[in-house]
Amino acid sequence: KNQVEQSPQSLIILEGKNCTLQCNYTVSPFSNLRWYKQDTGRGPVSLTIMTFSENTKSNGRYTATLDADTKQSSLHITASQLSDSASYICVVSSQYDYKLSFGAGTTVTVRA
Amino acid sequence: GAGVSQSPRYKVTKRGQDVALRCDPISGHVSLYWYRQALGQGPEFLTYFNYEAQQDKSGLPNDRFSAERPEGSISTLTIQRTEQRDSAMYRCASSLGSGGIETQYFGPGTRLLVL
Repeated sequence: KNQVEQSPQSLIILEGKNCTLQCNYTVSPFSNLRWYKQDTGRGPVSLTIMTFSENTKSNGRYTATLDADTKQSSLHITASQLSDSASYICVVSSQYDYKLSFGAGTTVTVRA
Repeated sequence: GAGVSQSPRYKVTKRGQDVALRCDPISGHVSLYWYRQALGQGPEFLTYFNYEAQQDKSGLPNDRFSAERPEGSISTLTIQRTEQRDSAMYRCASSLGSGGIETQYFGPGTRLLVL
């Protein structure tokens, strides 16, 4: 069973609007959580990484939050642009573990 | 500098043939990882190298899959006697150091199609 669950599976938003993606995980003990952006046909690119003690991290128009108690994270995209169309993957690492647990991703489509 | 590169980008082969997928990590990166990604899914861990040592191969699905990194740089993932179920995107990633906190940089992947 996948230890990282993402929702929604996909969403469509209009350019300029905001959206929020969800990630729930059961990986334990927890080390860090990352959000990756994967453009079609490309490899995933790291957006943010948060450790246990961090509850928010921003990278431009991307803001990730983490609640380690409830094992939930969100990625908020502000003022979406057409270039934000991609798959966003939540990735969780357990302590002392190089093996990352990947979610299936949320496909975001931004329309003009 | 250059990112992680993989070759070939696409590989079509007949069932039963052997294939070798190559990964060139970012220069100086100690750790190298192989993943398999099915369409619409996140990458699934296959194996991990720290320098030339294969530290973990628990994700390799069966003994037809093997990987090596003889000089601690370039790595080759070999699939023997390919089967149709092996068709997937195979991704390589590298990180500067080892450990879970390191950022892994992914290559463009090799899309394998077994007919």
